[in-house]
Amino acid sequence: AQSVTQLGSHVSVSEGALVLLRCNYSSSVPPYLFWYVQYPNQGLQLLLKYTTGATLVKGINGFEAEFKKSETSFHLTKPSAHMSDAAEYFCAVIRGGQAGTALIFGKGTTLSVSS
Amino acid sequence: DVKVTQSSRYLVKRTGEKVFLECVQDMDHENMFWYRQDPGLGLRLIYFSYDVKMKEKGDIPEGYSVSREKKERFSLILESASTNQTSMYLCASSLRSTEAFFGQGTRLTVV
Repeated sequence: AQSVTQLGSHVSVSEGALVLLRCNYSSSVPPYLFWYVQYPNQGLQLLLKYTTGATLVKGINGFEAEFKKSETSFHLTKPSAHMSDAAEYFCAVIRGGQAGTALIFGKGTTLSVSS
Repeated sequence: DVKVTQSSRYLVKRTGEKVFLECVQDMDHENMFWYRQDPGLGLRLIYFSYDVKMKEKGDIPEGYSVSREKKERFSLILESASTNQTSMYLCASSLRSTEAFFGQGTRLTVV
């Protein structure tokens, strides 16, 4: 069954530094992959998604992710962190069932940004 | 914009009570989902539904049931609430094999 593993439950960066949040997937079929962000006391918001086509995917707020089949990875990056990026980030993969599909999430990575 | 609305933001219930969490979406999505979110565990899928009256167990269905009588509405039922069901519950909806849209969540406390 499809699954994702997020490496690092907490990442701390300085404002202006590179952000790198790691996600590896397990899937026996070509995966559909997603990154979501959750700000405090809010629901989840889609950052970006990969389904087919270009392996470098650009999302909102300057984030991007690259699908690397050879490494089974879908890491999220942003060149320059901003204080407003502090949030929890979740990687997810679509898992197919007998009759339906569902998003399966990793355990999340909390991003802290210091000035 | 897609809107997924959960009936309560905060809920406090007693152990043993039957609890209903309601979710409504306004975009005619086939799929609807219930997750629970706990610190360090991420989002775990409880149940999902791919059509009216159809449901499929997720990874942690024990102690829960669901109901989908209309396409826009998906209910999560805690048959007999227990303290270990204290959590944040998130509802979501999607078209088939696409991203899910989430509600604001219901923080349930069982005392």
